[in-house]
Amino acid sequence: GAVVSQHPSWVICKSGTSVKIECRSLDFQATTMFWYRQFPKQSLMLMATSNEGSKATYEQGVEKDKFLINHASLTLSTLTVTSAHPEDSSFYICSASGQGARETQYFGPGTRLLVL
Amino acid sequence: DQQVKQNSPSLSVQEGRISILNCDYTNSMFDYFLWYKKYPAEGPTFLISISSIKDKNEDGRFTVFLNKSAKHLSLHIVPSQPGDSAVYFCAALGVSGNTPLVFGKGTRLSVIA
Repeated sequence: GAVVSQHPSWVICKSGTSVKIECRSLDFQATTMFWYRQFPKQSLMLMATSNEGSKATYEQGVEKDKFLINHASLTLSTLTVTSAHPEDSSFYICSASGQGARETQYFGPGTRLLVL
Repeated sequence: DQQVKQNSPSLSVQEGRISILNCDYTNSMFDYFLWYKKYPAEGPTFLISISSIKDKNEDGRFTVFLNKSAKHLSLHIVPSQPGDSAVYFCAALGVSGNTPLVFGKGTRLSVIA
Protein backbone atom coordinates (compact mmCIF):
# COMPACT_ATOMS: atom_id res chain seq x y z
CA GLY A 1 0.00 0.00 0.00
CA ALA A 2 0.87 3.65 -0.15
CA VAL A 3 3.29 5.08 2.39
CA VAL A 4 2.58 7.99 4.67
CA SER A 5 5.19 9.24 7.10
CA GLN A 6 4.94 11.48 10.14
CA HIS A 7 7.60 13.46 11.88
CA PRO A 8 8.39 13.52 14.71
CA SER A 9 7.19 10.22 16.13
CA TRP A 10 7.63 11.48 19.69
CA VAL A 11 7.67 14.97 21.10
CA ILE A 12 7.87 16.21 24.67
CA CYS A 13 7.46 19.91 25.23
CA LYS A 14 6.80 22.46 27.93
CA SER A 15 3.39 23.97 28.43
CA GLY A 16 2.93 27.11 26.35
CA THR A 17 5.19 26.12 23.49
CA SER A 18 4.07 25.32 19.95
CA VAL A 19 4.68 21.99 18.28
CA LYS A 20 4.64 21.24 14.56
CA ILE A 21 3.88 17.78 13.21
CA GLU A 22 4.54 16.90 9.59
CA CYS A 23 2.64 14.40 7.48
CA ARG A 24 4.04 13.34 4.14
CA SER A 25 2.74 11.05 1.42
CA LEU A 26 5.86 9.42 0.05
CA ASP A 27 4.75 7.73 -3.12
CA PHE A 28 1.52 9.37 -4.19
CA GLN A 29 -0.08 12.76 -4.42
CA ALA A 30 -2.48 13.33 -1.58
CA THR A 31 -5.23 15.68 -2.59
CA THR A 32 -6.80 15.30 0.82
CA MET A 33 -5.22 14.80 4.21
CA PHE A 34 -6.95 14.11 7.48
CA TRP A 35 -5.80 14.69 11.04
CA TYR A 36 -7.00 12.44 13.83
CA ARG A 37 -6.42 12.38 17.53
CA GLN A 38 -6.59 9.39 19.83
CA PHE A 39 -6.75 9.42 23.61
CA PRO A 40 -5.91 6.23 25.51
CA LYS A 41 -8.54 3.53 25.11
CA GLN A 42 -10.59 5.79 22.86
CA SER A 43 -11.32 5.72 19.16
CA LEU A 44 -9.59 7.88 16.62
CA MET A 45 -11.42 11.16 16.37
CA LEU A 46 -11.27 13.22 13.21
CA MET A 47 -10.02 16.71 13.92
CA ALA A 48 -9.91 18.26 10.48
CA THR A 49 -9.84 17.60 6.77
CA SER A 50 -7.54 19.55 4.50
CA ASN A 51 -7.42 19.78 0.75
CA GLU A 52 -4.28 20.93 -0.97
CA GLY A 53 -4.22 24.66 -1.44
CA SER A 54 -7.33 25.44 0.56
CA LYS A 55 -8.27 26.03 4.17
CA ALA A 56 -8.87 23.06 6.40
CA THR A 57 -12.34 22.05 7.49
CA TYR A 58 -12.47 21.49 11.23
CA GLU A 59 -14.80 19.14 13.08
CA GLN A 60 -17.12 20.52 15.70
CA GLY A 61 -15.35 21.25 18.95
CA VAL A 62 -11.87 21.52 17.43
CA GLU A 63 -10.32 24.98 17.82
CA LYS A 64 -8.89 26.05 14.49
CA ASP A 65 -6.75 28.75 16.10
CA LYS A 66 -5.17 26.20 18.36
CA PHE A 67 -4.64 23.46 15.81
CA LEU A 68 -3.26 25.14 12.71
CA ILE A 69 -3.27 23.00 9.59
CA ASN A 70 -1.39 23.79 6.45
CA HIS A 71 -1.59 21.68 3.28
CA ALA A 72 0.69 23.61 0.99
CA SER A 73 1.61 20.81 -1.38
CA LEU A 74 0.26 17.50 -2.61
CA THR A 75 2.69 15.59 -0.43
CA LEU A 76 2.87 17.57 2.78
CA SER A 77 0.47 18.68 5.47
CA THR A 78 1.45 20.13 8.83
CA LEU A 79 -0.42 20.35 12.11
CA THR A 80 0.79 22.96 14.57
CA VAL A 81 -0.43 22.73 18.14
CA THR A 82 -0.12 26.30 19.37
CA SER A 83 0.46 27.13 23.03
CA ALA A 84 0.27 23.48 23.96
CA HIS A 85 -1.12 22.49 27.35
CA PRO A 86 -1.04 19.15 29.18
CA GLU A 87 -4.58 18.34 28.03
CA ASP A 88 -3.29 18.43 24.45
CA SER A 89 -1.15 15.40 25.20
CA SER A 90 -2.39 12.72 22.86
CA PHE A 91 -1.57 10.54 19.87
CA TYR A 92 -1.96 12.47 16.63
CA ILE A 93 -2.35 10.51 13.40
CA CYS A 94 -2.63 11.79 9.87
CA SER A 95 -4.00 10.02 6.85
CA ALA A 96 -3.86 10.82 3.19
CA SER A 97 -5.97 9.97 0.21
CA GLY A 98 -5.49 10.54 -3.48
CA GLN A 99 -8.10 11.73 -5.91
CA GLY A 100 -10.26 12.70 -2.95
CA ALA A 101 -11.26 9.09 -2.31
CA ARG A 102 -11.99 9.20 1.40
CA GLU A 103 -12.55 5.47 1.58
CA THR A 104 -8.94 4.90 0.63
CA GLN A 105 -7.07 6.58 3.45
CA TYR A 106 -3.50 5.62 4.16
CA PHE A 107 -2.46 6.31 7.70
CA GLY A 108 0.80 7.61 9.04
CA PRO A 109 2.50 5.99 12.04
CA GLY A 110 1.32 8.69 14.42
CA THR A 111 3.00 11.24 16.66
CA ARG A 112 2.85 10.98 20.42
CA LEU A 113 2.77 14.41 22.06
CA LEU A 114 3.42 14.85 25.75
CA VAL A 115 3.06 18.35 27.16
CA LEU A 116 4.60 18.84 30.57
CA ASP B 1 -22.89 9.73 20.92
CA GLN B 2 -20.96 6.81 19.49
CA GLN B 3 -22.02 6.21 15.90
CA VAL B 4 -19.78 3.18 15.57
CA LYS B 5 -19.71 0.82 18.51
CA GLN B 6 -17.41 -2.05 19.31
CA ASN B 7 -18.86 -3.38 22.52
CA SER B 8 -16.12 -5.88 23.30
CA PRO B 9 -12.95 -4.10 24.41
CA SER B 10 -10.98 -7.33 24.29
CA LEU B 11 -11.09 -10.87 22.94
CA SER B 12 -8.84 -13.88 23.50
CA VAL B 13 -8.73 -16.74 21.03
CA GLN B 14 -6.68 -19.89 20.75
CA GLU B 15 -4.32 -20.13 17.81
CA GLY B 16 -5.96 -21.89 14.88
CA ARG B 17 -9.49 -21.05 15.99
CA ILE B 18 -11.80 -18.44 14.54
CA SER B 19 -11.77 -14.85 15.82
CA ILE B 20 -15.01 -12.94 15.46
CA LEU B 21 -14.96 -9.19 16.05
CA ASN B 22 -18.25 -7.35 16.09
CA CYS B 23 -19.26 -3.81 15.25
CA ASP B 24 -22.58 -1.96 15.33
CA TYR B 25 -23.42 1.38 13.80
CA THR B 26 -26.28 3.81 14.19
CA ASN B 27 -25.97 6.25 11.29
CA SER B 28 -28.02 5.08 8.31
CA MET B 29 -25.94 7.40 6.08
CA PHE B 30 -22.98 5.05 6.36
CA ASP B 31 -22.55 3.01 3.21
CA TYR B 32 -18.93 1.90 3.35
CA PHE B 33 -17.27 0.01 6.17
CA LEU B 34 -13.65 -0.74 6.91
CA TRP B 35 -11.60 -2.73 9.36
CA TYR B 36 -8.19 -1.57 10.50
CA LYS B 37 -5.51 -3.29 12.52
CA LYS B 38 -3.38 -1.24 14.86
CA TYR B 39 -0.26 -1.96 16.87
CA PRO B 40 0.72 0.27 19.82
CA ALA B 41 2.23 3.63 18.82
CA GLU B 42 1.56 2.97 15.14
CA GLY B 43 -1.05 4.20 12.73
CA PRO B 44 -3.92 1.94 11.66
CA THR B 45 -3.33 -0.42 8.77
CA PHE B 46 -6.18 -1.13 6.41
CA LEU B 47 -7.38 -4.74 6.44
CA ILE B 48 -10.59 -5.16 4.52
CA SER B 49 -13.65 -3.18 3.54
CA ILE B 50 -17.19 -3.73 2.39
CA SER B 51 -19.69 -1.62 0.54
CA SER B 52 -23.30 -1.55 1.65
CA ILE B 53 -24.37 -3.18 -1.62
CA LYS B 54 -22.67 -6.38 -0.48
CA ASP B 55 -23.17 -8.61 2.52
CA LYS B 56 -19.84 -10.39 2.47
CA ASN B 57 -16.30 -9.72 1.39
CA GLU B 58 -13.46 -12.17 1.71
CA ASP B 59 -9.70 -11.69 1.51
CA GLY B 60 -7.59 -14.65 2.51
CA ARG B 61 -8.10 -15.40 6.20
CA PHE B 62 -10.25 -12.29 6.66
CA THR B 63 -13.96 -12.11 5.92
CA VAL B 64 -16.25 -9.22 6.70
CA PHE B 65 -20.00 -9.74 6.95
CA LEU B 66 -22.52 -6.91 6.78
CA ASN B 67 -26.10 -7.09 8.03
CA LYS B 68 -27.65 -3.79 6.96
CA SER B 69 -31.02 -4.37 8.55
CA ALA B 70 -29.34 -4.95 11.92
CA LYS B 71 -26.72 -2.26 11.30
CA HIS B 72 -24.12 -4.81 12.26
CA LEU B 73 -20.90 -6.01 10.78
CA SER B 74 -18.35 -8.56 11.85
CA LEU B 75 -14.81 -9.50 10.99
CA HIS B 76 -13.91 -13.17 10.94
CA ILE B 77 -10.29 -14.27 11.06
CA VAL B 78 -9.68 -17.94 10.45
CA PRO B 79 -7.42 -19.53 11.33
CA SER B 80 -6.21 -17.05 13.94
CA GLN B 81 -2.46 -16.63 14.30
CA PRO B 82 -0.37 -15.08 17.09
CA GLY B 83 0.65 -12.31 14.69
CA ASP B 84 -2.98 -11.27 14.49
CA SER B 85 -2.78 -10.00 18.06
CA ALA B 86 -3.49 -6.25 17.82
CA VAL B 87 -6.29 -3.76 18.27
CA TYR B 88 -8.91 -3.93 15.54
CA PHE B 89 -10.91 -0.85 14.66
CA CYS B 90 -14.16 -0.84 12.79
CA ALA B 91 -14.77 2.33 10.78
CA ALA B 92 -17.60 3.63 8.67
CA LEU B 93 -18.24 6.46 6.31
CA GLY B 94 -20.97 7.74 4.05
CA VAL B 95 -19.51 7.96 0.57
CA SER B 96 -22.69 9.15 -1.04
CA GLY B 97 -23.66 11.29 1.94
CA ASN B 98 -20.17 12.70 2.33
CA THR B 99 -19.81 11.87 6.01
CA PRO B 100 -16.29 11.56 7.41
CA LEU B 101 -14.63 8.32 8.47
CA VAL B 102 -15.84 7.43 11.97
CA PHE B 103 -14.02 4.88 14.11
CA GLY B 104 -15.18 2.58 16.86
CA LYS B 105 -13.17 2.32 20.09
CA GLY B 106 -11.46 -0.85 19.00
CA THR B 107 -11.24 -4.43 20.21
CA ARG B 108 -7.96 -5.83 21.46
CA LEU B 109 -7.47 -9.33 20.06
CA SER B 110 -5.05 -11.69 21.74
CA VAL B 111 -4.29 -14.92 19.94
CA ILE B 112 -2.81 -17.43 22.31
CA ALA B 113 -0.38 -20.00 21.00
